[in-house]
Amino acid sequence: QQQVKQSPQSLIVQKGGIPIINCAYENTAFDYFPWYQQFPGKGPALLIAIRPDVSEKKEGRFTISFNKSAKQFSLHIMDSQPGDSATYFCAAEGTDKLIFGTGTRLQVFP
Amino acid sequence: EAGVAQSPRYKIIEKRQSVAFWCNPISGHATLYWYQQILGQGPKLLIQFQNNGVVDDSQLPKDRFSAERLKGVDSTLKIQPAKLEDSAVYLCASSLHYGYTFGSGTRLTVV
Repeated sequence: QQQVKQSPQSLIVQKGGIPIINCAYENTAFDYFPWYQQFPGKGPALLIAIRPDVSEKKEGRFTISFNKSAKQFSLHIMDSQPGDSATYFCAAEGTDKLIFGTGTRLQVFP
Repeated sequence: EAGVAQSPRYKIIEKRQSVAFWCNPISGHATLYWYQQILGQGPKLLIQFQNNGVVDDSQLPKDRFSAERLKGVDSTLKIQPAKLEDSAVYLCASSLHYGYTFGSGTRLTVV
């Protein structure tokens, strides 16, 4: 019940493409769904987050789509750039617990 | 605001030796976390402090791992004795409400 399933494990796109990363959760007690971006040798950094009462949130080129009934959410990166190459983790947070997905390694080629 | 500070950045030890990591959270953040991140995996919570009290240590291997946050600010995580499978990045994070801020981590290699 505490798992957050994330796919795909890795993703390769050309510059300008729109990579999509999907996540699913089980525990309906989660009430905050952040995405973290991690570069090699660095800790995860909060990228964007959404609450379950909202179906979509955009911040710059990053968009979260949230489907509460399906318990699924996804990250879309518009006009992807080589600098977006990193590992992305979805997460689910609730009652002082933060559970991470398994991560997606994104490579954006010029 | 200053970020979460961790030291050392890297540590290489032999199995059965001991090692300690240090974390200084963002000023004013009452909640502090230690995570273990094995290569290719997501971070896994080891222990969570609220001020200087332990909130959750259910995933901490208590036979070899210990952690403290004596004055509700800095924290140390210790491993004694270390095993090969402890090789990982140890991340410290702090939070005020929602959204965690992570440090850059300590990369531990046990040989």
